[in-house]
Amino acid sequence: EVQLVESGGVVVQPGGSLRLSCAASGFTFDDYTMHWVRQAPGKGLEWVSLISWDGGSTYYADSVKGRFTISRDNSKNSLYLQMNSLRTEDTALYYCAKDGLRSGRGGMDVWGQGTTVTVSS
Amino acid sequence: DIQMTQSPSSLSASVGDRVTITCRASQSISSYLNWYQQKPGKAPKLLIYAASSLQSGVPSRFSGSGSGTDFTLTISSLQPEDFATYYCQQSYSTPPTFGPGTKVDIK
Repeated sequence: EVQLVESGGVVVQPGGSLRLSCAASGFTFDDYTMHWVRQAPGKGLEWVSLISWDGGSTYYADSVKGRFTISRDNSKNSLYLQMNSLRTEDTALYYCAKDGLRSGRGGMDVWGQGTTVTVSS
Repeated sequence: DIQMTQSPSSLSASVGDRVTITCRASQSISSYLNWYQQKPGKAPKLLIYAASSLQSGVPSRFSGSGSGTDFTLTISSLQPEDFATYYCQQSYSTPPTFGPGTKVDIK
């Protein structure tokens, strides 16, 4: 079964740091671009970051650039999001998602169940 | 960045109705347009990719069309399980961007 399972979401104070993880199974992980997408409570979907199949290219939304770092370990079939200098507006459900194409220009065809990050004092 | 808009923002429909949702991109995105369905408390689900290709396992009552800047998602005969929020997303350029969503609820 193709599956993504996120973990690491907690309650953290503003200015704090957090690392999210996403464990992949059921597909050849290193064949695909991977994404992080978030959804604030009651809001729509916001793309956060992507990483190419080999980790060689990364991109970020302007809202997180310079604060978040995406990475992957293909030997462990795992995706990560290091989140620093957290702000209250980063409070959201964070999903990892698999792109349908190695190029990263497909639809996001597999999603995890999400992990909740709450930034609050 | 490419901006995505959707209309309507919400609609009420009955089981069996034909439903059409429109998505517009702020510049041409060729056919790099994807549609997702999201139910409350659940992760989004890919329905349509590349504007008109049906994702595996998705019922054939869902269809997509369009190219360039204007796209539509059509549900030919709305079923009870289709009441959800629908998002379009462009994958033409980085950053990939989502539309604001269209909520389909029961009339």
